[in-house]
Amino acid sequence: DAEITQSPRHKITETGRQVTLACHQTWNHNNMFWYRQDLGHGLRLIHYSYGVQDTNKGEVSDGYSVSRSNTEDLPLTLESAASSQTSVYFCASSDGTGSSYEQYFGPGTRLTVT
Amino acid sequence: AQKVTQAQTEISVVEKEDVTLDCVYETRDTTYYLFWYKQPPSGELVFLIRRNSFDEQNEISGRYSWNFQKSTSSFNFTITASQVVDSAVYFCALSELRDDKIIFGKGTRLHILP
Repeated sequence: DAEITQSPRHKITETGRQVTLACHQTWNHNNMFWYRQDLGHGLRLIHYSYGVQDTNKGEVSDGYSVSRSNTEDLPLTLESAASSQTSVYFCASSDGTGSSYEQYFGPGTRLTVT
Repeated sequence: AQKVTQAQTEISVVEKEDVTLDCVYETRDTTYYLFWYKQPPSGELVFLIRRNSFDEQNEISGRYSWNFQKSTSSFNFTITASQVVDSAVYFCALSELRDDKIIFGKGTRLHILP
């Protein structure tokens, strides 16, 4: 069955370290998204991609970067982790063009920055 | 700018009661898409429904129904005869064709009490 996976599921890191969260989907979807979920803020879009080599900034992109070298993967990198980036991170993918279609979410990665 | 408001932060009802979750949106685009997602206590996000701005027909799926009213910019979600398994956080979301980004509301936490 097609799916979307995230790794690691839990991560503890220190302030200032570079961290990469992996997202892999087997649906062959063009569109992939990264969100963070924080209490009181709901889901906020970090970065998104509508195809290979395409990346775009979302609402809260500062301190994060992504790259899309193939259809299946969109890794999220925290260049220098900060305590404010402690959060639950969700990756999602969707079919079609742009953000008009329903998204399928991964199980999430809980990141703690100490 | 697009905006989604879920004014009800938290709702508690007794099992078998009906409950309506409100979603009000703002957009300047004439073509847009509305979504509802469910996040049960296990944490995963599950797509429930997608509706485009040209289709104001209400939708019913089992105990779930959705009332889309462009005149009041609302896309409300009703659960009939609620069950404990309906306990979750529910998110409403909006995607504009022109802006091509999705914005989520902050979510409504629903508690169904046995």
